Formats: sequence, structure tokens, C-alpha cells
Amino acid sequence: AQSVTQLGSHVSVSEGALVLLRCNYSSSVPPYLFWYVQYPNQGLQLLLKYTSAATLVKGINGFEAEFKKSETSFHLTKPSAHMSDAAEYFCAVSENSGGSNYKLTFGKGTLLTVNP
Amino acid sequence: GAGVSQSPSNKVTEKGKDVELRCDPISGHTALYWYRQSLGQGLEFLIYFQGNSAPDKSGLPSDRFSAERTGGSVSTLTIQRTQQEDSAVYLCASSSYRVPEAFFGQGTRLTVV
Repeated sequence: AQSVTQLGSHVSVSEGALVLLRCNYSSSVPPYLFWYVQYPNQGLQLLLKYTSAATLVKGINGFEAEFKKSETSFHLTKPSAHMSDAAEYFCAVSENSGGSNYKLTFGKGTLLTVNP
Repeated sequence: GAGVSQSPSNKVTEKGKDVELRCDPISGHTALYWYRQSLGQGLEFLIYFQGNSAPDKSGLPSDRFSAERTGGSVSTLTIQRTQQEDSAVYLCASSSYRVPEAFFGQGTRLTVV
């Protein structure tokens, strides 16, 4: 069974500061990993994904994440926070078992607040 | 092209009533997922459809929940005899065949009173 743990349900940073949102996963098979962002009253928007290619993945809005198999981690970073980054962020895993069902298991989410 | 479309965006229903939630996936996407987002449980997988294959219903929480997908496109999630604990946002997502990246709709916020 797969699972995701997001450390910190709420992270607060100043505008211009580094953003670091932590995600650890467990999976019995090689995983696909994702970060989604959710703005208030909106659906989920894909930020970036890891699908067994490069371990450092770049996404939209200046975000990136690094897959570290030895640490079972997929932390999300952005060098300089912007006010518009304030949202809830979800890490998710699906199993790469050769089939076509990529159902996601999500973490509990991290609410990012950006202070002026 | 258009994204995943869900309707209604909001639904208020009385306890015990049946509700139907609709999802129109991205054109050409053969895979369709339903998820539920609630304060207590977070985001949970409900059901997966792929073409004409048998759906994966392993996430449906009770037999009051059912879903169908007609013609390999539009899907309807039905909740019978709604309970207050069914109040949540129901999200639909779709993806291309054998592509793990899924695109989500805006969701339907269901409130059972």
C-alpha cells in the first residue's frame, strides 16, 4: 500500500523567502509523484510530476522538486515566495505497476501563507 | 481545449435525498477518476474508469455510492439516501490512456442538511 506524509500542515514564509514544503512517501513499487496546488474554491492544479526520468523536476510558477529514493522524499521548493503562492499544496503518489490505473494517494496538505 | 467540467458547482440537499453529480472529462481522455475531499478525511480516491474495462470501485465508501460512465465519456456519481457525513467536495479528474498525469475539474461542493 502507498502512503504520503506531508510534514507541517501550515507553513508561513515572508515574501521573497525560500519556500520548502516537505513530502515523504511509501510505495511497494516504483512511484509516480506529484505536487498539486489548490486555491480557495478551486480544483487541483498540477505543479509538477516525477515519472522516473530526471530526479530534479521543474514545474510551473518557479517551483521544483527533487526525488530522493534513499530518503523516500519529494520535497517542493521555490527560491523566492510571491504573494500569489499562498494556497494549499498537496503531495500525491501513484503506483507505477505497469497498468493503466494511476489512482492517487494524497497527503493531508500544507497550507502556505506568504507574509508581505 | 476545454478542461474537465463538473456540474453543479454547488449542491445543497436534504438528508435522505438522492443526488447526482456530473463530470465531463477532457475530450479524448479515456481514464476518469472520482475523488472526495472532506475536512476529516482529506482527499480520497473513490472510483476509476478506463474505456470499456470494469471500473475500480475500491474507494467507494458504501453501497449508497455508485457511478457510471456512458459512452466512454461523461460520468455520473450518484449518492443515494444522503447523510450529513457525505458533505464534501467531489472532484473529477481525467487523463490519457496509460498517462499518470491527471487533470482535475473545479469540483462539486455537496452540502447535506
